[in-house]
Amino acid sequence: GAVVSQHPSWVICKSGTSVKIECRSLDFQATTMFWYRQFPKQSLMLMATSNEGSKATYEQGVEKDKFLINHASLTLSTLTVTSAHPEDSSFYICSARDPRGRSYEQYFGPGTRLTVT
Amino acid sequence: LAKTTQPISMDSYEGQEVNITCSHNNIATNDYITWYQQFPSQGPRFIIQGYKTKVTNEVASLFIPADRKSSTLSLPRVSLSDTAVYYCLVGERANNLFFGTGTRLTVIP
Repeated sequence: GAVVSQHPSWVICKSGTSVKIECRSLDFQATTMFWYRQFPKQSLMLMATSNEGSKATYEQGVEKDKFLINHASLTLSTLTVTSAHPEDSSFYICSARDPRGRSYEQYFGPGTRLTVT
Repeated sequence: LAKTTQPISMDSYEGQEVNITCSHNNIATNDYITWYQQFPSQGPRFIIQGYKTKVTNEVASLFIPADRKSSTLSLPRVSLSDTAVYYCLVGERANNLFFGTGTRLTVIP
């Protein structure tokens, strides 16, 4: 089955610094990947759609200058949280669809837990 | 976007069948219903998707009445490992991206 990985699985950073999270499709090519954020005991919230070779599409209320997304290849999308603040502490999850299989099924990465101190 | 409503939590004993209902009164003609399962500190996992009537796979069944204003995910003979949060999504088939509030299922020995 399709596999999506994320790195790192967890990260602690100081307020004001930036942190990059990687999302990789390991055995398939993904022209589109999705980034979600999930606070404790809450549902997943779609942040943005990452498009290979073009700009990401951000959901309403998500600051594109704060959450920088780069989809430089068909297997890698990165999310950079710039000038992180404690309120950015959350679980960040990416997903992708495998073009070889069911177009409607999202394969999710294991998530990255970000803690900003 | 069609809004979904699910029970916040459910408890069930091992071996029982569990039915989780999702309400989506303003579902659109092109919308499909998709269910995902999520364990703590993991990404969600696809369970099943359907448009109308009944869909069954190796892990679950999905029942959708004719008016499509609700749907029921049925998990046969649950085990402790089925304890998780179950999300109902409503949207276009290949663009079903918005998660509802989810139902936290706890399976009791």
